Amino acid sequence: AQKITQTQPGMFVQEKEAVTLDCTYDTSDPSYGLFWYKQPSSGEMIFLIYQGSYDQQNATEGRYSLNFQKARKSANLVISASQLGDSAMYFCAIKGTSGSRLTFGEGTQLTVNP
Amino acid sequence: KAGVTQTPRYLIKTRGQQVTLSCSPISGHRSVSWYQQTPGQGLQFLFEYFSETQRNKGNFPGRFSGRQFSNSRSEMNVSTLELGDSALYLCASSLGAARSYEQYFGPGTRLTVT
Repeated sequence: AQKITQTQPGMFVQEKEAVTLDCTYDTSDPSYGLFWYKQPSSGEMIFLIYQGSYDQQNATEGRYSLNFQKARKSANLVISASQLGDSAMYFCAIKGTSGSRLTFGEGTQLTVNP
Repeated sequence: KAGVTQTPRYLIKTRGQQVTLSCSPISGHRSVSWYQQTPGQGLQFLFEYFSETQRNKGNFPGRFSGRQFSNSRSEMNVSTLELGDSALYLCASSLGAARSYEQYFGPGTRLTVT
């Protein structure tokens, strides 16, 4: 069984500042992957970044980076230089070794203020 | 490379009716997963199809079913619709390999049951 916990229902950040969205996970799989998705009000889930459990380095994709601390079972998303278009719901998800099934957290609603 | 497509985008049905939703994955992807998203339950996994076979199944009643065709396109069917089936239905496309990190979502089908 797998579980994702996102403890921040809502976050606010000023434009151009950095923000960290928290994610902790629990899994019994020895190998797993962690994902972050952005969901604007339109509903589409946009893939942001991926971290494999055996990856030696933290993943980065442009303004997105993942602060992966395996011993603490955390995979926090860092967004640098926030933009107004970053306002959306953000979901953390985990995939184990059984197929492509993703288990999602409850999400964090990020609001970027001008 | 075309993304994941879902049809229809919006649907209004009456209680007791049935509905069929369609998902066309990214070319070359063999796995299609379906998710239901509601404000109360969040994102929940319905099932995954890989090479025309159901590989994983979530905890949903038998009214929810699916299938996958030889071209990897997938359909999900909900029979005897209930008000609680009103949701955003998302499908995700991936290669389906155990260590694959590609998980891309379609725009979703928003189903309203009245």
